[in-house]
Amino acid sequence: GNSVTQMEGPVTLSEEAFLTINCTYTATGYPSLFWYVQYPGEGLQLLLKATKADDKGSNKGFEATYRKETTSFHLEKGSVQVSDSAVYFCALPGGSYIPTFGRGTSLIVHP
Amino acid sequence: KAGVTQTPRYLIKTRGQQVTLSCSPISGHRSVSWYQQTPGQGLQFLFEYFSETQRNKGNFPGRFSGRQFSNSRSEMNVSTLELGDSALYLCASSPSDREGSEQYFGPGTRLTVT
Repeated sequence: GNSVTQMEGPVTLSEEAFLTINCTYTATGYPSLFWYVQYPGEGLQLLLKATKADDKGSNKGFEATYRKETTSFHLEKGSVQVSDSAVYFCALPGGSYIPTFGRGTSLIVHP
Repeated sequence: KAGVTQTPRYLIKTRGQQVTLSCSPISGHRSVSWYQQTPGQGLQFLFEYFSETQRNKGNFPGRFSGRQFSNSRSEMNVSTLELGDSALYLCASSPSDREGSEQYFGPGTRLTVT
């Protein structure tokens, strides 16, 4: 079946530092890939997505590129802010298979 | 447009009882999925409904069931509650059942079983 593996957290950074959260996946075919973010006390929100190989999804300064050859979809941001503190989930969508989420990576940004 | 709403937001139940959680999707969305989120297991898929039909089901015991109404609102039911059912239950809606559709999540219902 499908699976998503993302780096363990928490990731602790100072404001304006560079962020990378690794995500690799196993899937049949070439599904879309998503990053969701969950702020404290809230549900998940879609952060960005990519629908095919070499696509780059971007939103709010975050970027991720769909790498078919390495089956990866790493999340990056050049300069994090305190307000980016949240839990980030890499995900494979549903459809023919059930939706699959990574375990989540907690990001803590200090001023 | 209003987001996904879930009721109640918080619930405390006793072992052996049953519970029903409700979800109203975004207007026009016909797909509703349910997830269980716990610190130990992360986010796990329960089931998905589209146009009142269950389309997919995760690996949960039969105590967990759901349904969807003609107005796309959905309910999930857990019977004979166990302590391990304590979790945040998230509902998500999607505008279609097309492969790869993004999901819009509600704030969740926090269920505590004592």
